[in-house]
Amino acid sequence: GAVVSQHPSWVICKSGTSVKIECRSLDFQATTMFWYRQFPKQSLMLMATSNEGSKATYEQGVEKDKFLINHASLTLSTLTVTSAHPEDSSFYICSARPYSRGNQPQHFGDGTRLSIL
Amino acid sequence: AQKVTQAQTEISVVEKEDVTLDCVYETRDTTYYLFWYKQPPSGELVFLIRRNSFDEQNEISGRYSWNFQKSTSSFNFTITASQVVDSAVYFCALTLNNAGNMLTFGGGTRLMVKP
Repeated sequence: GAVVSQHPSWVICKSGTSVKIECRSLDFQATTMFWYRQFPKQSLMLMATSNEGSKATYEQGVEKDKFLINHASLTLSTLTVTSAHPEDSSFYICSARPYSRGNQPQHFGDGTRLSIL
Repeated sequence: AQKVTQAQTEISVVEKEDVTLDCVYETRDTTYYLFWYKQPPSGELVFLIRRNSFDEQNEISGRYSWNFQKSTSSFNFTITASQVVDSAVYFCALTLNNAGNMLTFGGGTRLMVKP
């Protein structure tokens, strides 16, 4: 089945550090990937839609200069949290939708737990 | 705009009990897809089911069953004979048509199954 790999799975770093999270579709191509954020005991909130070869579409309230998204290929999207601060600590999950005809559901990565000290 | 409501934030049952997780959605579109995902403590989202708006047939998969009622905009999920391994957070979600739109998630229901 379709697999989405997210790396790293856990990051602990100092305040002010920039952190890059990778989302890869391992056995399918994805023109569109999604980045979600989940605070403890809360639901997933969409941050942005990542489009291969073009700029990401950010949801209202999400700082595009803070959360840099790059979707350089059909199998890789990256989310960089720039100058991370403790309030950026969260669980970040990506998903990818197979680029094919038909109604393919989104496939989720295993998530990245980001802890900023 | 779409909205998904899971009124039950936490449910606690004893093993072997049946439990139903409620999901109510709002959308003005006539074509949409509804999902259920399971999120165990490890964090990954496990896809359980997808149902499109034109298919109101209920579905059963082992101990899991889903009741889709367009008249009440509900897509409820029932676990029969619950087990401890069913303990997780369950999310109901909605997406529109087939354009790769993002998922709108409900708030989630934390299910605790006690032995």
